[in-house]
Amino acid sequence: SAVISQKPSRDICQRGTSLTIQCQVDSQVTMMFWYRQQPGQSLTLIATANQGSEATYESGFVIDKFPISRPNLTFSTLTVSNMSPEDSSIYLCSVVGSSDTQYFGPGTRLTVL
Amino acid sequence: GENVEQHPSTLSVQEGDSAVIKCTYSDSASNYFPWYKQELGKGPQLIIDIRSNVGEKKDQRIAVTLNKTAKHFSLHITETQPEDSAVYFCAASINFGNEKLTFGTGTRLTIIP
Repeated sequence: SAVISQKPSRDICQRGTSLTIQCQVDSQVTMMFWYRQQPGQSLTLIATANQGSEATYESGFVIDKFPISRPNLTFSTLTVSNMSPEDSSIYLCSVVGSSDTQYFGPGTRLTVL
Repeated sequence: GENVEQHPSTLSVQEGDSAVIKCTYSDSASNYFPWYKQELGKGPQLIIDIRSNVGEKKDQRIAVTLNKTAKHFSLHITETQPEDSAVYFCAASINFGNEKLTFGTGTRLTIIP
């Protein structure tokens, strides 16, 4: 399975500010996804990070709020913009491994005050 | 879109006994059903998955069964141990791991020593 790291692991931010989360994989992968896990809840897909093109967003998520970059096959960033307390969540990236299975990173725990 | 329901939301089991978690899905096109274990402060870890062309898969103490007709699948953990305590999520996808995963609501499993 791929080894996935995320930075930062956690952060506390003030409302109105933005935070960029990084996801690094130890091997080239075709598919990368970003999920949100609100406190005590399940995981919801934010978007598919496409290499070399704009991300594909799920219903309820927009590029202005969650801009995503995917400059190569091992790296992606998710920015949470103009944050409010409702954005407090765990943000997780996932990648598809060689056996068509999805593996998740350790997550970024965001608290917005 | 796909909807995945998961039951029970909490489950307490005596150490050494078996635990069963059940999920139902709505989209008959779904063909891939992974199970993830999430420990506190960590990202989800894939523990077992099953594809629609098989009815059962086993890996040591963990097994998953799939009933395509009834659109439900179950996770079975035998000889439970304290380290099995975690939150378990089922998920479904229409293109193995290459597409979005739709997650169930999670089951908090507690193993009582």
